[in-house]
Amino acid sequence: DAGVIQSPRHEVTEMGQEVTLRCKPISGHNSLFWYRQTMMRGLELLIYFNNNVPIDDSGMPEDRFSAKMPNASFSTLKIQPSEPRDSAVYFCASRDRVAGELFFGEGSRLTVL
Amino acid sequence: SQQGEEDPQALSIQEGENATMNCSYKTSINNLQWYRQNSGRGLVHLILIRSNEREKHSGRLRVTLDTSKKSSSLLITASRAADTASYFCATDAGLGLVFGQGTRLTINP
Repeated sequence: DAGVIQSPRHEVTEMGQEVTLRCKPISGHNSLFWYRQTMMRGLELLIYFNNNVPIDDSGMPEDRFSAKMPNASFSTLKIQPSEPRDSAVYFCASRDRVAGELFFGEGSRLTVL
Repeated sequence: SQQGEEDPQALSIQEGENATMNCSYKTSINNLQWYRQNSGRGLVHLILIRSNEREKHSGRLRVTLDTSKKSSSLLITASRAADTASYFCATDAGLGLVFGQGTRLTINP
């Protein structure tokens, strides 16, 4: 299996622009998670889906952030408009059962100028 | 918000020595997991210990869990240079995994 696939790996954009991060979970996994990692705040859980349905989005910072999972093999995290404080590495992870281990992608490093 | 807190934040030891990292958390959990992250990479799962387990082994890794103290420890025996990485504990209370800030481990050859 190819593992969790994220794109883009790196993105540099200017403040105010829309950013879309993409994730393809491992086939057969029914839960998908979005995390953000920064030096100051560590790893923060933004949102997670179970069977394509958002279960907990309490970690989404504000309305500028939105996440969708239109089907079992694809999810997006969108930031509109982006701000410099959104600069971070965004990770997607998936798992195949409740209370199991997470499989992480390699992350998308976002820099907002 | 982080539930797990790792201690120490950074640890530097000589190759061959044992490394111990600790994790404390605040609420009841279903399980606790440890992950490793190499610089610039995603996290990789190391070991999972359920709330009704007290100790678990996997190769050179030994994890303990004390639910009465809400704490866990990860022991890496006979460390190698390739063990240099950040190590995170993560608690699962049924609403996704919550990670601590991590311990940066450096193994000096």
